[in-house]
Order: sequence, then C-alpha cells, then structure tokens
Amino acid sequence: DTAVSQTPKYLVTQMGNDKSIKCEQNLGHDTMYWYKQDSKKFLKIMFSYNNKELIINETVPNRFSPKSPDKAHLNLHINSLELGDSAVYFCASSQGGYQPQHFGDGTRLSIL
Amino acid sequence: AQSVAQPEDQVNVAEGNPLTVKCTYSVSGNPYLFWYVQYPNRGLQFLLKYITGDNLVKGSYGFEAEFNKSQTSFHLKKPSALVSDSALYFCAVTLKTGNQFYFGTGTSLTVIP
Repeated sequence: DTAVSQTPKYLVTQMGNDKSIKCEQNLGHDTMYWYKQDSKKFLKIMFSYNNKELIINETVPNRFSPKSPDKAHLNLHINSLELGDSAVYFCASSQGGYQPQHFGDGTRLSIL
Repeated sequence: AQSVAQPEDQVNVAEGNPLTVKCTYSVSGNPYLFWYVQYPNRGLQFLLKYITGDNLVKGSYGFEAEFNKSQTSFHLKKPSALVSDSALYFCAVTLKTGNQFYFGTGTSLTVIP
C-alpha cells in the first residue's frame, strides 16, 4: 500500500483556471504538509497542518489554500493559476514535531 | 532566521570510494537535522536524523552523518559508494515544534562506475 498518495500525478491546465490536488496518507499521522519544488529542485514548505493548527508560509500567495476533510487527507486548492505556479507539488505527512516526513511522489503542474 | 546550506550543487565520486555530502545550518535553538534522498520522478525518502545524543547517526542504505555543533554542520557520509546511490540529497532542519522545515538546495550525487 502506498503510504502517501497524491492525485493527479500530472496536471496540465491553462492560466486563470482553478485546480485541486488531492493527498491521502494511510500512516495514521497527525500532521500533513505541502511543498513546492521548482525547476531548480529547490524545495519550499507551503503549509503544515494538524487538527489543531495551520501554519502558512508567509510567502505563499493566498490563491493557495489547504483543505482537510479529515485527518488522513489534505488537499491543495489553487485559484487563478499563473505561469509561475508551474512546479512539482509534494504532499508529506509525519507524526508531528521533529519526526521524519513521508512524501508522496508529487504532482507535476504545468500551466499553459 | 533558520537556514540550511549545501555548498555543493554536484558531487562526483568513483564507485567504491567514500562519499561526503556537506550540510551546514543556522538556527536559533537546538536543531533537529535530517537527510533525505530523492530519485528521479519520486518523492523524498528519509535517510537519517539527529535529534540528540550520539553525534554520529546511522541511517538507511549504509549512510551515516556526523553532527558537529561547533561547526554547525551535519555532513552525510558513506564508506563505499554504489552506483545506485546516485540521486539528489537534501539536508533539512527544524526546531522542536516541527511546524517549519527548512531544506537545503540539494546536492546531486553521481557515482561513477
């Protein structure tokens, strides 16, 4: 069984559209994360979330919003997509604090 | 501000030779340090971590890392490199809350047969 799964794996869409990426973890972890990896492979945390607290990286545009229907899911909604949003987005989960994170295999978002 | 530096974008090493991938950090407080590996078209995989205790930590696939507080470093090492170790390696640091993880810029390791 895949521990952290993301769908879709590839997402190609036009500028201005709204899209969502889904993430599910079956590890029983209580904290989930979203990361953005750019074309130079730089990795930046966007959000960390558990059932108590959402931590938002202040550099993330408010067009990006995480939504968690339950403890095992953290979806990423993106409004009004821009060319600069093209990247690979990774979901991850952990037991929180300083425990290691488990990553999904990423969603490759391409904006036309 | 917390930060992690990986001074080498690329490291090449011959198969069978020892390898080192460098990492230095800057945090206000006690650091919790990690190494992850990323293979092409895959997510990051956890290799090892330093939380407290022994400065030399051992991890997956024969990797180890040494925490050096005075030099604020956490270099990744392996005594004998394999071609299959070729990948992108990331160092990361967090504080106890774990709400913010800071990753280095990554080091691409190539092991030459």
